[in-house]
Amino acid sequence: DIQMTQSPSSLSASVGDRVIITCRASQSVGTYLHWYQQKSGQAPKLLIYFASSLHSGVPSRFSGSGSGTDFTLTISGLQPEDFATYYCQQSYTFRTFGQGTKVELK
Amino acid sequence: EVQLLESGGGLVQPGGSLRLSCVGSGYPFSDYAMHWVRQSPGRGLEWVSAIGVSGTYYADSVKGRFTISRDMSKSTLYLQMDSLRIDDSATYFCARYASGNNAPSDYWGQGTLVTVSS
Repeated sequence: DIQMTQSPSSLSASVGDRVIITCRASQSVGTYLHWYQQKSGQAPKLLIYFASSLHSGVPSRFSGSGSGTDFTLTISGLQPEDFATYYCQQSYTFRTFGQGTKVELK
Repeated sequence: EVQLLESGGGLVQPGGSLRLSCVGSGYPFSDYAMHWVRQSPGRGLEWVSAIGVSGTYYADSVKGRFTISRDMSKSTLYLQMDSLRIDDSATYFCARYASGNNAPSDYWGQGTLVTVSS
């Protein structure tokens, strides 16, 4: 099975900050890597697909990069509605999620 | 508007069974692969099972106990869960795969809670 490891597990940030979350795969997944946002009590929402493509309706402050085993999600200019938990997911073989990164208000 | 609505969760004893349902609307249900993902506090998001034109797939943790199926005439996805264990307790989400191979999940239901306890 492909294991996905996110870092950090949590972070504290202020509105307007630039936030970077990383995701590492235990083997190459090419660009079959997606990012989701989940708020408490809600279902995950797709943000970025195939490593760097922005899903419809997602603000442009969200961006993704990487290929192979190392990926990043960047939020440029954190907004109040962005405080949530973020998950990466590989779709190279079946589906595996990272353990999540909780973004909290500093 | 694409919508997915799960139902069927509840409290069940270890060894018992439940059938979850997920009704899709707002899109051609038969054109998209679907899957189930569960989430528990201690285990995060865990892919459970998927169904598409190429067949059905299961996580090792549920293989032989869970069965995924769908009724195209009712635009409904099912998850039959047998021999339930305490660690199957979770919120179960159904989700649609976007078009194309190795696609992400572009729409999710709100989830249904399954609690396995004596």
